[in-house]
Amino acid sequence: EDQVTQSPEALRLQEGESSSLNCSYTVSGLRGLFWYRQDPGKGPEFLFTLYSAGEEKEKERLKATLTKKESFLHITAPKPEDSATYLCAVQDQGAQKLVFGQGTRLTINP
Amino acid sequence: SAVISQKPSRDICQRGTSLTIQCQVDSQVTMMFWYRQQPGQSLTLIATANQGSEATYESGFVIDKFPISRPNLTFSTLTVSNMSPEDSSIYLCSVDGGPADTQYFGPGTRLTVL
Repeated sequence: EDQVTQSPEALRLQEGESSSLNCSYTVSGLRGLFWYRQDPGKGPEFLFTLYSAGEEKEKERLKATLTKKESFLHITAPKPEDSATYLCAVQDQGAQKLVFGQGTRLTINP
Repeated sequence: SAVISQKPSRDICQRGTSLTIQCQVDSQVTMMFWYRQQPGQSLTLIATANQGSEATYESGFVIDKFPISRPNLTFSTLTVSNMSPEDSSIYLCSVDGGPADTQYFGPGTRLTVL
């Protein structure tokens, strides 16, 4: 059964303090790994899709990387507006469903 | 990416009643999905809805409790039937669109059952 574990559950940083969020996964065959951002009271907002080990994608202060067992979301010099819950999800080959982790609640203090 | 709207955005319902949630997309999509996000939890897929066929339900979810309609390529409904407080959750629809199986989500419907 596909499983996704995210750590830490919550992370509090000062503005400008870089860090990384972890997503460990187990799938029989990875079709794609997805990162989303979710603000309180809203639906998840798509950030990245990664398909194979070694792949990296960047968007503003965020960079996502992928290995065969985990993905990292690196946040460089974060700002208070980066505060949100970040969700990781995997999609197995031959399936359409996304299996989500529990998320990391990120707070950036000014 | 597709623009997705849901109605209602939130509702408070009495135990034993039913609520139908609507999901509208601004473009035609093949697959639509319904997820549940219980308080403090992550998203769990309820069912996949393809136009012109019966919805496919995940383990633990049944059609009698969560009937789904998909009358065309831009619209779907999810009904939460005979509600209990345990059904209090955020219900989200998503669509399969854009590059390689990326799913885009609607804003969600926050349901509270008293």
